[in-house]
Order: sequence, then C-alpha cells, then structure tokens
Amino acid sequence: SQQGEEDPQALSIQEGENATMNCSYKTSINNLQWYRQNSGRGLVHLILIRSNEREKHSGRLRVTLDTSKKSSSLLITASRAADTASYFCATVAYSGAGSYQLTFGKGTKLSVIP
Amino acid sequence: NAGVTQTPKFQVLKTGQSMTLQCAQDMNHEYMSWYRQDPGMGLRLIHYSVGAGITDQGEVPNGYNVSRSTTEDFPLRLLSAAPSQTSVYFCASSYRGGASNTGELFFGEGSRLTVL
Repeated sequence: SQQGEEDPQALSIQEGENATMNCSYKTSINNLQWYRQNSGRGLVHLILIRSNEREKHSGRLRVTLDTSKKSSSLLITASRAADTASYFCATVAYSGAGSYQLTFGKGTKLSVIP
Repeated sequence: NAGVTQTPKFQVLKTGQSMTLQCAQDMNHEYMSWYRQDPGMGLRLIHYSVGAGITDQGEVPNGYNVSRSTTEDFPLRLLSAAPSQTSVYFCASSYRGGASNTGELFFGEGSRLTVL
C-alpha cells in the first residue's frame, strides 16, 4: 500500500528556476527519504530527514518535514537540465513485530528545460 | 565500487517459463530487497531479507520466491511467468538490518522483464 503521495505528478520548469515537490503521508513515521531516478536507471538516495527534524539541506536541496500535517517538501534551487528526473519520497514507518518498513510514493516527474 | 549488481538487464520470457533474477552487493549490507516498478504504480516491495537465512514477504509476493544463503546474494525467482509480471525489477540493499532498518537504500540499475 502506498504511504507517501507526491504532488504534482509532473512539473516542467526553466533552467535556473526553483522546483518544489510535495509528499503527503498517512501514518506516523520514523524518517522520510527522497530519491532521484534518471530515465532507465536505478534510484539514488538524496536526503533523509528524521521525524524530530524540521528542515535539512544538502547542496541545492532543501527538505522540510511537518509531522503535524504529515507532509514533506523537496526544493531544488537554481535547477539545471541535469536535474531532469523522477523524484520519489519514501517513508519509514513501524510495521509491527519490532520492525520498520520503507514505502515509496508514485513520484514526481521533473523536466528542466534549458 | 560495484555496489548493487543486477543481472540480466533485459529478459523476454514466454508465459509459463521460469527464471531467476540475480542480485549481488559488495557492501556487506544486512538488508536486501526486491521491488517492482510499474507505470503509475511507483515501487512495490516484493520480498526482503534482514540477513542470511531470513526472508519475508512484502506487498506483492505472489508468483515470486527468494532465498538468502549468503550476505552478498539475493536472487528472485519467477516460478511460472505471467504477462502481469512484465515490469522493471530493482534490487536494493541497506547497511542496517533487523528490526531497526531505517536507513537509506542502495539500488541496482534494474532488470527489465517482458513476459509474452
């Protein structure tokens, strides 16, 4: 079952603009992660934010987490054509019997036009 | 660094045939998993393993078998292929295993399977 849901499904911007993608989820989480997938490739981990964190930065990436609204956003600043990819949020939640499970959303397809 | 290696990259099967997708990682990760990715469906967990000799089912396990005889290898077997199993399959691993697996996943490049 899908835990995270990304919004929008697709986003097209000009190079140099900022891109914002959102992720909403339904249950309490341990952490939330963002991944990038270039066309025809595997997923690559971008950033992990824990449930007790509100904001995290990594280079041109800024991730926020609002646990009261059960939502997260990924901001890519000064986008480049090379940022064209699909972006997925993944939530890690307690799944019972002392274990956790990571569940992916359906992704946002970002196109950066040169 | 090889990371997570999947073979084959492409495969075409006929309905009813069986095959094994191979996955190997050289990072000494305890946790390994298989996902399938279908258009509009995101990634769905098929099976996972928290260590050698331990496997468990994910969200969509029917029609697939796994085993984990070594830390490095985690093959996925299709018992009797069906057109509904046409998909892209990804193997992923994580350094944390057991109940506390909350870390990032490292993915292979995918295996594209078509079942006719």
